Amino acid sequence: AQSVTQPDIHITVSEGASLELRCNYSYGATPYLFWYVQSPGQGLQLLLKYFSGDTLVQGIKGFEAEFKRSQSSFNLRKPSVHWSDAAEYFCAVGAGDDKIIFGKGTRLHILP
Amino acid sequence: DAGVIQSPRHEVTEMGQEVTLRCKPISGHDYLFWYRQTMMRGLELLIYFNNNVPIDDSGMPEDRFSAKMPNASFSTLKIQPSEPRDSAVYFCASSPPYAGSYTFGSGTRLTVV
Repeated sequence: AQSVTQPDIHITVSEGASLELRCNYSYGATPYLFWYVQSPGQGLQLLLKYFSGDTLVQGIKGFEAEFKRSQSSFNLRKPSVHWSDAAEYFCAVGAGDDKIIFGKGTRLHILP
Repeated sequence: DAGVIQSPRHEVTEMGQEVTLRCKPISGHDYLFWYRQTMMRGLELLIYFNNNVPIDDSGMPEDRFSAKMPNASFSTLKIQPSEPRDSAVYFCASSPPYAGSYTFGSGTRLTVV
């Protein structure tokens, strides 16, 4: 069965600094991979997804993620964070049966 | 489109009472998912439907929980009787087929006292 690990529960970065959130997955074949963001009191919103092709995926709000098969990773990056990026970020993996499994999430804090 | 609509936004109920959560998915989305979110367990998939048919309910915690989708535009999640450990935020999400691009509702925060 597929699974997702987000090793960092909390991450704190300064506004304007670069960001990388880690995600590792477990799945025997090529997975479908996703990043979602959840602002306080809201549902989750899709940032980006990887199905196949180019391993560097661009998403909304200036985020990107890179699929590395050899490392079973799908890390999320942003070159310069804004205070509005403070939220919880979820990595997710799908196995083609139309349901996806979410990681535990990483809460991002932004220092002014 | 107004997105996925959940009601109520907040529900406070006494232990033993019946609770019904409601969801209206996005028109044209074939899939509907019910998730529960808690600090301890994160996001848990409870059940999902395809074309109104339940596909996988293995995440439903026990017989006190039931879900229905009588038509393409409405689903309910019912807890009877409710217990304090059911307190959580319950999310509904819908998706086109084979997309993984879920659209989530804003959730229902359930508190059982």
